[in-house]
Parts: sequence; structure tokens; C-alpha cells
Amino acid sequence: ETGVTQTPRHLVMGMTNKKSLKCEQHLGHNAMYWYKQSAKKPLELMFVYNFKEQTENNSVPSRFSPECPNSSHLFLHLHTLQPEDSALYLCASSRSFPGASGGYTFGSGTRLTVV
Amino acid sequence: SQQGEEDPQALSIQEGENATMNCSYKTSINNLQWYRQNSGRGLVHLILIRSNEREKHSGRLRVTLDTSKKSSSLLITASRAADTASYFCATDRSSGNTGKLIFGQGTTLQVKP
Repeated sequence: ETGVTQTPRHLVMGMTNKKSLKCEQHLGHNAMYWYKQSAKKPLELMFVYNFKEQTENNSVPSRFSPECPNSSHLFLHLHTLQPEDSALYLCASSRSFPGASGGYTFGSGTRLTVV
Repeated sequence: SQQGEEDPQALSIQEGENATMNCSYKTSINNLQWYRQNSGRGLVHLILIRSNEREKHSGRLRVTLDTSKKSSSLLITASRAADTASYFCATDRSSGNTGKLIFGQGTTLQVKP
């Protein structure tokens, strides 16, 4: 366990479904991130939150909707996804902001398959 | 846009040998970090080197940074089968207070027992 917990570990959903990914950290970090990792592509930054405020939306389609109710929890709400959205979704947190002078702590990811 | 590019994309060595991976980047940075990822898992932070540092060590890891060439290298000495994983460099850019890391595509390392 890294201190960043993601649930569920695996998710299969249809294109008309609505689901949510959850990320939780109790490391005292104040910045949290969502990344998408597809096969043969670099990790793609999706969203950045600092002290619950969204500071970055990296041109992510609106079918992905993040929510950060407090500094310890981060959600990614999914609806009407496409098969090409199938990927490993990684949550990370860091202690300092801006920048990540102490490095990121990643969760184990949610493997999402859209059918 | 992609910031870090690792080289080689794949590396296969025998246990006990050293493994060297390189990373090039395009913009000025605050720091550069290396991460390891075991198959299908999250990334694990290995080491961070700041822009004013040239070399850093952590156990069997040695990282160098050449800001004039915008490049870094990760050396794993006396490799073990357990070092088999993908290794990524990530850069924290110096311009803009975005607080985000940009990752490269990674080097897949296989260490044969």
C-alpha cells in the first residue's frame, strides 16, 4: 500500500453507463491528480486539484467529470464513455504545490474497460 | 505535448549487469524525477534531482542531469530480476505554477535471472 487507495481496481462498463472512480489519501498531501495511461502512450495528465480547487483541466472531454470534496478524496465520474477511453486511470497526490518537490505518490490504478 | 522521451524504449539484460536509461526533455525544469512501474500497477517514485544538481545516488540508483543538453540518465547497478519494470522520467517545468509532472513514454527493462 502506498497510502493512496483507488477503488475499484477493475471496472467494466457499457457506453451508456454512469460510474465513478474513487481515490483516497491520508498522507496529508494537498494536491491530487488524475492521469490516464493507455497502451503505448505516455501518461496523460487529466486534472489537477490543489486544496480542493481544480487548477488544471488538460482538455479532457466532458464525459469525464472530476470532483474533489476535500483534500483527501478525489472522484472521477464517468458517463457515456467510448471504447477508446479504456485505460488504466491513475490517481496521485503530492505534498507541495506548485510543483511536486517531494515526488508524487500514486495509487494502484483502476483498469477501466468500456464495452 | 510530450516533455520527456526515454531511450531505449526496451532493454534486456542479465542479472548482475548494469542498466542505463536516458531521458531527454524540451523545456526548462525545476526538477526531474524517475519512477518505476510494475506491470499494471501504479508508479513508484524512485528519485528526484533538482535543476541545480548534477548527480544523485540512492542505493543502487544513480541519476545524472545535464541541463545544458536537457537530458538525464538513470543507472541501475548490479541489476536483479526484481528490477524488471517500466521506468519513466517526469519533469516539473519551471514556467507556470501548474504543479504538474509531464511523463515520458518509459523504458521497459527486463532483467533475466
